[in-house]
Amino acid sequence: EAEVAQSPRYKITEKSQAVAFWCDPISGHATLYWYRQILGQGPELLVQFQDESVVDDSQLPKDRFSAERLKGVDSTLKIQPAELGDSAMYLCASSLVGLVGTDTQYFGPGTRLTVL
Amino acid sequence: AQSVTQLGSHVSVSEGALVLLRCNYSSSVPPYLFWYVQYPNQGLQLLLKYTTGATLVKGINGFEAEFKKSETSFHLTKPSAHMSDAAEYFCAVSGGNNRLAFGKGNQVVVIP
Repeated sequence: EAEVAQSPRYKITEKSQAVAFWCDPISGHATLYWYRQILGQGPELLVQFQDESVVDDSQLPKDRFSAERLKGVDSTLKIQPAELGDSAMYLCASSLVGLVGTDTQYFGPGTRLTVL
Repeated sequence: AQSVTQLGSHVSVSEGALVLLRCNYSSSVPPYLFWYVQYPNQGLQLLLKYTTGATLVKGINGFEAEFKKSETSFHLTKPSAHMSDAAEYFCAVSGGNNRLAFGKGNQVVVIP
């Protein structure tokens, strides 16, 4: 069964450092999502891509966060500089079409970030 | 805009007893509703979803949920809890743009 791949699984960094997370969606999925999940809370959407284009980044803190999906396949989420409050699980998801509300999103295992 | 309310962050249930997790939603358009399960240090897995049609939806692992428009609810149930059901459960709602709004989740503890 095809899965969403993410790396690294765990990342520990010091504040003010740069970190990057990678996501490889299920093959053929046009839509890719990055979520942030703070401990004890539900996931919150940071950015949504349709192929290589950003369709929603309204909740992305653009002063320090950036995301790209250059060839419309895999994606990288970067934080520079990291702050203590960025400690969370970062989840990537993908869906086949994404522009229809019924489309199922498939989640990767996540990257747990700890900022010291 | 869409939102979801899940009350009671921790839910304890005895093995073999009914599992009931409550979800109430708010949506300005006809909602699409989802339940996801998350095991420790893993991503989310879809349990079931409601789009249109039959209001009683059956999912994996013996779970089901009923969409009640008049009550704006989408409660999740399982007749008999198993130890493997211990996990965190999230209800989510989306409108037509596939943007999911999640609730805060319910941590289910199964007591032997």
